[in-house]
Amino acid sequence: AQSVTQPDIHITVSEGASLELRCNYSYGATPYLFWYVQSPGQGLQLLLKYFSGDTLVQGIKGFEAEFKRSQSSFNLRKPSVHWSDAAEYFCAVGAPDAGKSTFGDGTTLTVKP
Amino acid sequence: GAGVSQSPRYKVAKRGQDVALRCDPISGHVSLFWYQQALGQGPEFLTYFQNEAQLDKSGLPSDRFFAERPEGSVSTLKIQRTQQEDSAVYLCASSLRTTNEKLFFGSGTQLSVL
Repeated sequence: AQSVTQPDIHITVSEGASLELRCNYSYGATPYLFWYVQSPGQGLQLLLKYFSGDTLVQGIKGFEAEFKRSQSSFNLRKPSVHWSDAAEYFCAVGAPDAGKSTFGDGTTLTVKP
Repeated sequence: GAGVSQSPRYKVAKRGQDVALRCDPISGHVSLFWYQQALGQGPEFLTYFQNEAQLDKSGLPSDRFFAERPEGSVSTLKIQRTQQEDSAVYLCASSLRTTNEKLFFGSGTQLSVL
């Protein structure tokens, strides 16, 4: 069975500081991995995805994530956070070429001015 | 419209009532997904369509939940005899191709069962 753990429920960073959101997954082989962002009252938006190849993945809004097979992790990073990045972030895992994705419970990001 | 549209945005039901939630996917998208998001949790998979075929309904919590996509476009999630534990946000997503490769989510329907 596939599962996702996001260890940090809530993170606060200052504007301009760097950010790392943690994600650990459980899956038998190499999965599809995703990061989504959800702003209040809005649907989830895909930030980036990993399917295969280069383990460092670039996404939208200046985000990147690194797939580490040995650690079963797919952490999300951003070098300099903007106030507009305040939102909830979800990591997800899915079987390749399948329908179902399994989401973590999310990390809420607060950005201090 | 350009995105996934869900209606109604909010739904209040009395326990025992039946409800129907609608999803209009992005035009031309082959795959359609329903997820349930409880307060403070991540979305949980309910069911998945490829065109009109329901390929996976393993996430439907009980036989009170039923989903359809008869013409391979609009989908309806129906919940019969609603219970308080059904209160959640119901998210619909669509994907251009046949997989979970990139999902476009709607804003959801917030269901409150009193």
